[in-house]
Amino acid sequence: DGGITQSPKYLFRKEGQNVTLSCEQNLNHDAMYWYRQDPGQGLRLIYYSQIVNDFQKGDIAEGYSVSREKKESFPLTVTSAQKNPTAFYLCASSQPDLLTEAFFGQGTRLTVV
Amino acid sequence: QKEVEQNSGPLSVPEGAIASLNCTYSDRGSQSFFWYRQYSGKSPELIMFIYSNGDKEDGRFTAQLNKASQYVSLLIRDSQPSDSATYLCAALGRSNDYKLSFGAGTTVTVRA
Repeated sequence: DGGITQSPKYLFRKEGQNVTLSCEQNLNHDAMYWYRQDPGQGLRLIYYSQIVNDFQKGDIAEGYSVSREKKESFPLTVTSAQKNPTAFYLCASSQPDLLTEAFFGQGTRLTVV
Repeated sequence: QKEVEQNSGPLSVPEGAIASLNCTYSDRGSQSFFWYRQYSGKSPELIMFIYSNGDKEDGRFTAQLNKASQYVSLLIRDSQPSDSATYLCAALGRSNDYKLSFGAGTTVTVRA
């Protein structure tokens, strides 16, 4: 079945640690996105990538980093510079030139302990 | 100015009534617009998308787009308790920039 897989579902991080969230898609989509969602809030864009080996900062990129070495993979690293990383992280992919919707993974809930 | 803004809600409607959700966007070059529904703790799922001016209907849902006013709306007719969720409006950037921006969402509660 085609889809987007995020792992892990739950992640706990100690203060000062970097952690990497995985996002893999087998939909052959060019574009991939990372969003952060805080309780009662909408989705805020962290980074997005339109093509392999290229990505752009979203609205809240500080403290995060990404890579896009393969079309199907777009991992997000939450660095120690992100002072308030506890949130629900969602990865999405789409084929925007076809004006079709973005599909979401099931999300990763990150908690700082 | 936020790229996508939604009427803040929360919105409470009785079962069987019409729920009306509104959204405005700032980038005139935005190509297409999406309405997603999100249940608590879950990932968003697509309700409808629209890219031409006018109305688009799908079952109990109608999306309306007015590019001149930079306005998108969603009507939910015959609201059901299962429609209780947060509704997110999204706008896809212009053709050379596939930035997909979301509004803050509107929480809808349908009272039985």
